[in-house]
Amino acid sequence: DGGITQSPKYLFRKEGQNVTLSCEQNLNHDAMYWYRQDPGQGLRLIYYSQIVNDFQKGDIAEGYSVSREKKESFPLTVTSAQKNPTAFYLCASSSGTGFTDTQYFGPGTRLTVL
Amino acid sequence: AQKITQTQPGMFVQEKEAVTLDCTYDTSDPSYGLFWYKQPSSGEMIFLIYQGSYDQQNATEGRYSLNFQKARKSANLVISASQLGDSAMYFCAMREARFGFQKLVFGTGTRLLVSP
Repeated sequence: DGGITQSPKYLFRKEGQNVTLSCEQNLNHDAMYWYRQDPGQGLRLIYYSQIVNDFQKGDIAEGYSVSREKKESFPLTVTSAQKNPTAFYLCASSSGTGFTDTQYFGPGTRLTVL
Repeated sequence: AQKITQTQPGMFVQEKEAVTLDCTYDTSDPSYGLFWYKQPSSGEMIFLIYQGSYDQQNATEGRYSLNFQKARKSANLVISASQLGDSAMYFCAMREARFGFQKLVFGTGTRLLVSP
């Protein structure tokens, strides 16, 4: 079955640590995205990648980093510079970035900073 | 100005009844897409239905239909014959077609509770 997987489902981090969230898709999609969701709010775009080896900052990229070395994979690193990283993180992908292209989401990773 | 407005923070409906979730949008772009997603308590965002600005007919997907009123800039989601499993958060989103990358903009969501 085609889809998007994210791991881990839950992640606990101590202050000052970097952590990496995994996102893999087998939909053969060119574009991938990372979103952050805080309680009671909609989604905010962290980073996006329209093609392999290229990525761009979204609205709230400070304290995060990404890489896109393979079409299938778009890992997100939450660095110690992110002031308030506790949130729910969702990865998505789409075949293109046009207004008709639907984004499909993974199951999410819930990050808690202890 | 908010691009996507969902004015109902919460809605209640009885099982087997229909429910309408409101969404209004703001854009000056003639080309845009409107999306509805469902987010159950597990957290995953599930795509439900899409409506393009040039589509002449309202989109339908099973029990979901989109009441698209372009002049009023509204794209309400209608769920017919509600089921207990429909209890979730529902998000309306829009993507414009202006030059360059345009992000998907989400509303703040509506929580739907379906009672037996």
